[in-house]
Amino acid sequence: GNSVTQMEGPVTLSEEAFLTINCTYTATGYPSLFWYVQYPGEGLQLLLKATKADDKGSNKGFEATYRKETTSFHLEKGSVQVSDSAVYFCALSDRSSGGSNYKLTFGKGTLLTVNP
Amino acid sequence: DTGVSQDPRHKITKRGQNVTFRCDPISEHNRLYWYRQTLGQGPEFLTYFQNEAQLEKSRLLSDRFSAERPKGSFSTLEIQRTEQGDSAMYLCASRLGEYTDTQYFGPGTRLTVL
Repeated sequence: GNSVTQMEGPVTLSEEAFLTINCTYTATGYPSLFWYVQYPGEGLQLLLKATKADDKGSNKGFEATYRKETTSFHLEKGSVQVSDSAVYFCALSDRSSGGSNYKLTFGKGTLLTVNP
Repeated sequence: DTGVSQDPRHKITKRGQNVTFRCDPISEHNRLYWYRQTLGQGPEFLTYFQNEAQLEKSRLLSDRFSAERPKGSFSTLEIQRTEQGDSAMYLCASRLGEYTDTQYFGPGTRLTVL
């Protein structure tokens, strides 16, 4: 079956530090890969996505590259801000599983805290 | 575009009571999902609708759970005879159509079973 493994948190950084959150996946088909962010008390917001190998998703200074050879989709940001403090979820949507339902499989999430 | 909305945002109930949650998807989205998120975990898939048809149910969806989507618009998720283990955030998401795989999530309904 499908699974997503994220690096364990929490991650605590100082403002302007470099961020990496590791994500690896196992999928039987050809997944799309996503990063969602959840701010305190809110629902999930799509941060970025990539639909095929070597695609790079980017948004708000965050980037992730779909690496099929290493089955990875690591999230990076060059300079984090206090406002980036949130829980980050890596997820996959397997387009070949059981038709076109595209249900998401999530990792456990990584709590990021950025201090001023 | 008002986004996905869910009601209520919070629900506290006593064990054994029935509860019902509502989800209103983005208006033109004909695919709708329910997920459950427990503390410290990622969301887990519960069920999927295409228009009014419920096409997939997870093994997590015991016989105490039922979901409907009459007329292919809003959806309801009912839990009968609630148990403390049902305490979680229930998330709804919607998707536009067959060739787009991006899901948009609502704010969730947090259920606490005492």
